Amino acid sequence: EAGVTQFPSHSVIEKGQTVTLRCDPISGHDNLYWYRRVMGKEIKFLLHFVKESKQDESGMPNNRFLAERTGGTYSTLKVQPAELEDSGVYFCASSQDPRSSYGYTFGSGTRLTVV
Amino acid sequence: RKEVEQDPGPFNVPEGATVAFNCTYSNSASQSFFWYRQDCRKEPKLLMSVYSSGNEDGRFTAQLNRASQYISLLIRDSKLSDSATYLCVVRATSGTYKYIFGTGTRLKVLA
Repeated sequence: EAGVTQFPSHSVIEKGQTVTLRCDPISGHDNLYWYRRVMGKEIKFLLHFVKESKQDESGMPNNRFLAERTGGTYSTLKVQPAELEDSGVYFCASSQDPRSSYGYTFGSGTRLTVV
Repeated sequence: RKEVEQDPGPFNVPEGATVAFNCTYSNSASQSFFWYRQDCRKEPKLLMSVYSSGNEDGRFTAQLNRASQYISLLIRDSKLSDSATYLCVVRATSGTYKYIFGTGTRLKVLA
């Protein structure tokens, strides 16, 4: 079974530019989460999709961040315009049943550096 | 106060040692807890779920103390390959069932 795939693995962009991160969840997993870790801090929740619907986007930092999951398959997270404080590692996770004891499966993350 | 607190370490222990990590959580209604392992520049991977009665998986034992709102992870007979960051995770009780992470505890097992 293929895992959660994220790309790019790394991205270095200048302040003010736009970046789009992509996440392909495990096939059949309706639940897709985005998390972010900024340097020195804990991993924090950004938002949750069930299929194509946003269930909770309370963790999104501001309106420069836009997440989509058209068709309920892969998801994109766009940052426009990027700021220095957006640097960090963005993880995607998917789950068939978020209440299960098996936990989520995480992708390997996208390391974003804004210079 | 953070929702999930961990001692960031690092814990430097010799091979073969026993090491224990604790984690405290603030929401007394929390029901689901996990330990994840994260290697340097890698994604978090589930180590084990934590059950009310405590549970063991090989050299790893997890325990939950609801009264004191803490979770522990015990690693026996440490191996070099156990070197990693151990993340304490509390799952939200409803809605999204999102994860709330601690900052992680770094473990380095020395030869």
